Amino acid sequence: QVQLVESGGGVVQPGRSLRLSCAASGFTFSSYGMHWVRQAPGKGLEWVAVISYDGSNKYYADSVKGRFTISRDNSKNTLYLQMNSLRAEDTAVYYCANEVTSIAAAGTDGMDVWGQGTTVTVSS
Amino acid sequence: SYVLTQPPSVSVAPGQTARITCGGNNIGSKSVHWYQQKPGQAPVLVVYDDSDRPSGIPERFSGSNSGNTATLTISRVEAGDEADYYCQVWDSSSDHQCVFGTGTKVTVL
Repeated sequence: QVQLVESGGGVVQPGRSLRLSCAASGFTFSSYGMHWVRQAPGKGLEWVAVISYDGSNKYYADSVKGRFTISRDNSKNTLYLQMNSLRAEDTAVYYCANEVTSIAAAGTDGMDVWGQGTTVTVSS
Repeated sequence: SYVLTQPPSVSVAPGQTARITCGGNNIGSKSVHWYQQKPGQAPVLVVYDDSDRPSGIPERFSGSNSGNTATLTISRVEAGDEADYYCQVWDSSSDHQCVFGTGTKVTVL
């Protein structure tokens, strides 16, 4: 079955960097757009970024633009989120999710399956 | 930026119908997706493209979208439906942004 497993979270000081990974299995990873979504403690869902199935299109939330980079390695069935210049307000559980429809324009589709999330805490 | 507004909470008795609204400017022109999130768990897609259900989602969950309001309807509500629900759209009119609603807590009385 479709499975997404995030890793790479942890405690990091403000201004430092962290890279999250999302390992995919059970589906043709290279055919689906992928999202990162985060949820701060006690808050709602906040979209972070999306990448098209082939990596050619990437879009970011204004809150992370210029600091975060989404990428993917289709040969390894893995999605990444490089997070630089981290701030306290980036503290959240980070989820990866795949889009419902294959070979769709990035972002236009719903988010079908979600991983269990990895926690990022930015604190001095 | 595009804003989606949901009521903070909805209460419903078991067996009754819950309706969760999602308001946005001309939201009827966009595809709306709905997610259910239970405490400590990842979100689950329950309706996509306004009214389609992923496999495994009960027919009790349905969606509609017109004008400035999209609605998720849960029929014959069960205790297990108690959760937070979020609507979501893709706003391509600005800088290509995905937008989530503010979330609605559904309480089963």
